[in-house]
Amino acid sequence: DGGITQSPKYLFRKEGQNVTLSCEQNLNHDAMYWYRQDPGQGLRLIYYSQIVNDFQKGDIAEGYSVSREKKESFPLTVTSAQKNPTAFYLCASKGRAVGTEAFFGQGTRLTVV
Amino acid sequence: GDSVTQMEGPVTLSEEAFLTINCTYTATGYPSLFWYVQYPGEGLQLLLKATKADDKGSNKGFEATYRKETTSFHLEKGSVQVSDSAVYFCALLFNFGNEKLTFGTGTRLTIIP
Repeated sequence: DGGITQSPKYLFRKEGQNVTLSCEQNLNHDAMYWYRQDPGQGLRLIYYSQIVNDFQKGDIAEGYSVSREKKESFPLTVTSAQKNPTAFYLCASKGRAVGTEAFFGQGTRLTVV
Repeated sequence: GDSVTQMEGPVTLSEEAFLTINCTYTATGYPSLFWYVQYPGEGLQLLLKATKADDKGSNKGFEATYRKETTSFHLEKGSVQVSDSAVYFCALLFNFGNEKLTFGTGTRLTIIP
């Protein structure tokens, strides 16, 4: 089945450690996105990529890094520089056609322990 | 910059009541507009969309009309059900060039029997 897959669903990290969240899609979409969701704050854009080997910072990129080496994959690394990383992280992808919608994964809940 | 403003929540209604969730946007040009729904612990699902002025998106009894003159995309449903309880997000995306997908803060809807 075509779709977008995030893994793992739950992730625990010790303070001071980097951690990488996986996002894979088999929809042949060009654009991919990472959002952070906190209670009462909606979705905030971390990074997005419109094409392989290119990506742009979103509204809250500090403390995060991404890569886009393959069209299907857009991993997000939460670094130790991110001061408050506990949140629900959502990945999305979108095709190139005008007016097409983005498709979302099921999310990864990251908890710093 | 581009932004989406949604009606503050939470919203609580009785079953079969009429629903309106307000959404207005600020943007240069003419974006595509979307409503997404999120059920607990899950990613976002597209509810409906409109890609140009005066378009009406509809799905599962929900409707929203793209009003350029008031820069609005209010979500409505004539008779809500308990199963409509969820968080609703309004979003905008430009049709050409920058693929940045911007969301509102979300509105939590609870329907009581």
